Amino acid sequence: GAVVSQHPSWVICKSGTSVKIECRSLDFQATTMFWYRQFPKQSLMLMATSNEGSKATYEQGVEKDKFLINHASLTLSTLTVTSAHPEDSSFYICSATGGVKGSPLHFGNGTRLTVT
Amino acid sequence: DQQVKQNSPSLSVQEGRISILNCDYTNSMFDYFLWYKKYPAEGPTFLISISSIKDKNEDGRFTVFLNKSAKHLSLHIVPSQPGDSAVYFCAASGRSGGSNYKLTFGKGTLLTVNP
Repeated sequence: GAVVSQHPSWVICKSGTSVKIECRSLDFQATTMFWYRQFPKQSLMLMATSNEGSKATYEQGVEKDKFLINHASLTLSTLTVTSAHPEDSSFYICSATGGVKGSPLHFGNGTRLTVT
Repeated sequence: DQQVKQNSPSLSVQEGRISILNCDYTNSMFDYFLWYKKYPAEGPTFLISISSIKDKNEDGRFTVFLNKSAKHLSLHIVPSQPGDSAVYFCAASGRSGGSNYKLTFGKGTLLTVNP
C-alpha cells in the first residue's frame, strides 16, 4: 500500500528555536498533503491543507506565520514550527492523498515535539 | 463544536466476541466516512470506509454500518482479536465536487480485546 514517511519521529527543542518536520510520499505523487495535530486523548485536529506548488490553506485559529508549510514537490511537504514554545508541544501528523477519488488518506507515523 | 462524536472513550471486549464502535456526526454535508486504527506513537492506519450512498460495507472481520437518518455509523469487528487493541478514530468528509478532501475526526475510542 501507499507509504507516507514522516521525519523525525520525535524531537526535543528549546523554547524560541524552530523545528522542521518532513513528510514524504514514497510510492505515489501526493497532490495534497494535510497536517494534523493531536493533543493527548483528543482527536486529530486539521491544521492546514497544502497543495503542491501553492500556498497552504490554514484552518481557523492556526497561525500561518508560526506554522510554515511548504509543499515544493509532489512527494515532499514540510512543516516548520517557528519560535517554538512549550504549548506547541504536541504530536504532529501528516497525511497525503494522490487525489484519486475514493482513495483514503495515508498517514505518516507522526512526530512527537517537546519544547522545553 | 464537535462535528464527529465518539461518545465512548473506551471499550473492553473478550477475544472472539464482537466489538461495536459507535460514531455520530452532525454535519449533513458529510458524505464519506472512514475508520482508522491507531497505535501509540504511530500515525492512523486506514481500515474501512463507506460512502453515503451505501448503508453497509464489509471487509473481512470489519463491517461499517451507516444510518444517514440518524447520522450514525458503527464499526463491527468480529471476531475480535487481541491485536485489534488500539484507538479507533471515526472520520468524515464532504467530497462534493472534488477528489481531494479533508477529514474531520472524532476523539477516538480505545478498544481493548482481552485474551
